[in-house]
Amino acid sequence: GAGVSQSPRYKVAKRGQDVALRCDPISGHVSLFWYQQALGQGPEFLTYFQNEAQLDKSGLPSDRFFAERPEGSVSTLKIQRTQQEDSAVYLCASSPRGMSEETQYFGPGTRLLVL
Amino acid sequence: AQSVTQLGSHVSVSEGALVLLRCNYSSSVPPYLFWYVQYPNQGLQLLLKYTSAATLVKGINGFEAEFKKSETSFHLTKPSAHMSDAAEYFCAVTGTASKLTFGTGTRLQVTL
Repeated sequence: GAGVSQSPRYKVAKRGQDVALRCDPISGHVSLFWYQQALGQGPEFLTYFQNEAQLDKSGLPSDRFFAERPEGSVSTLKIQRTQQEDSAVYLCASSPRGMSEETQYFGPGTRLLVL
Repeated sequence: AQSVTQLGSHVSVSEGALVLLRCNYSSSVPPYLFWYVQYPNQGLQLLLKYTSAATLVKGINGFEAEFKKSETSFHLTKPSAHMSDAAEYFCAVTGTASKLTFGTGTRLQVTL
């Protein structure tokens, strides 16, 4: 079956531009996570959805970051007025029910470069 | 809150040698522990996980890890390294919340 897909795979933005990153989770997975991975670092949690409800957004670094999952499947991470420090790989993961012991399945990531 | 420390940002082994990647955790609740592998320009793939069923966990590609509560460790091992094992390895933890908290990663190099 299909895994988690993300688009675009690469995005170059000029500082100040808005960007939108898309995640298609595994079909039927209730939970969806976004992580940010800076160069040479481990992924860091951004936000978490259970169906369409955003249950935890404690990792979003500023109010320029916004995520949604309106129909409980596809999710979009939007970054407004991008800054150079936003350059990173953005990873999306999904899991069947969102239980702590469940495996999270990761997409290939979107590499964002802000110039 | 949970945290993970991976000792050694780079590890180099010869092909056929033992692989040992270290991970220590901190958690105020019983943890669930994971090892993920990341190949260049790819997402993370689960190698194995500890969910309190058995302390010695076997994963894919010949890897295994042992949960040691007294040492707060979950080190990853493989008896014999292959060239294809060269990648970045991440240890991660969850607790009451399902979000993963990752270590900083260990890059494994395998030489001939």
